Amino acid sequence: AIRITQSPSSLSASTGDRVTITCRASQGISSYLAWYQQKPGKAPKLLIYAASTLQSGVPSRFSGSGSGTDFTLTISCLQSEDFATYYCQQYYSYPQTFGQGTKVEIK
Amino acid sequence: EVQLVESGGGLVQPGGSLRLSCAASGFTFSSYWMSWVRQAPGKGLEWVANIKQDGSEKYYVDSVKGRFTISRDNAKNSLYLQMNSLRAEDTAVYYCARAVVTPDEDWYFDLWGRGTLVTVSS
Repeated sequence: AIRITQSPSSLSASTGDRVTITCRASQGISSYLAWYQQKPGKAPKLLIYAASTLQSGVPSRFSGSGSGTDFTLTISCLQSEDFATYYCQQYYSYPQTFGQGTKVEIK
Repeated sequence: EVQLVESGGGLVQPGGSLRLSCAASGFTFSSYWMSWVRQAPGKGLEWVANIKQDGSEKYYVDSVKGRFTISRDNAKNSLYLQMNSLRAEDTAVYYCARAVVTPDEDWYFDLWGRGTLVTVSS
């Protein structure tokens, strides 16, 4: 199975900050990676797929980049509603696997 | 309204069985791959199983192979997960999710239910 290592596991940031979250795959997965946001007690929400394609309705302050083994989710200007846990997911091969999650907390 | 609503969760003893259901509405259910994703308390997301539109292809994470069965009834717009030989480590919120598969083979979950909690404990 492809392992996804997500970092950091948590971070503290302030509103207006630029935030970067990284996922590294244990083998090349082309651009077959998605990013999700999850708030406490809620279902995940799709943000980005194909490593860099923004899902309809998702604010443009979210962006994704990368291919192969290294990927990045960037929030350009953190808003109050962005405090949540973020997960990456590879769908290059079965089993589909998620990163461990990054909790973005208020500083 | 476009939505997925899970049901069937609850408390079950180790070794027991449970059947989860997911009712879809507001979209053409038979046009989509469907999936189950779970989340143990305080833990991350884990993909569990996928099923193709016509039920002809099914995939499972290794930890549930031989114990869980995903199925669907397109006439009833419903997805199911039959869980047998349940273990404590199966305790989780189980989410039903709609999968979009593009011509470029991109795959993503664009619609999720609210989840149903399964607790395996004696």
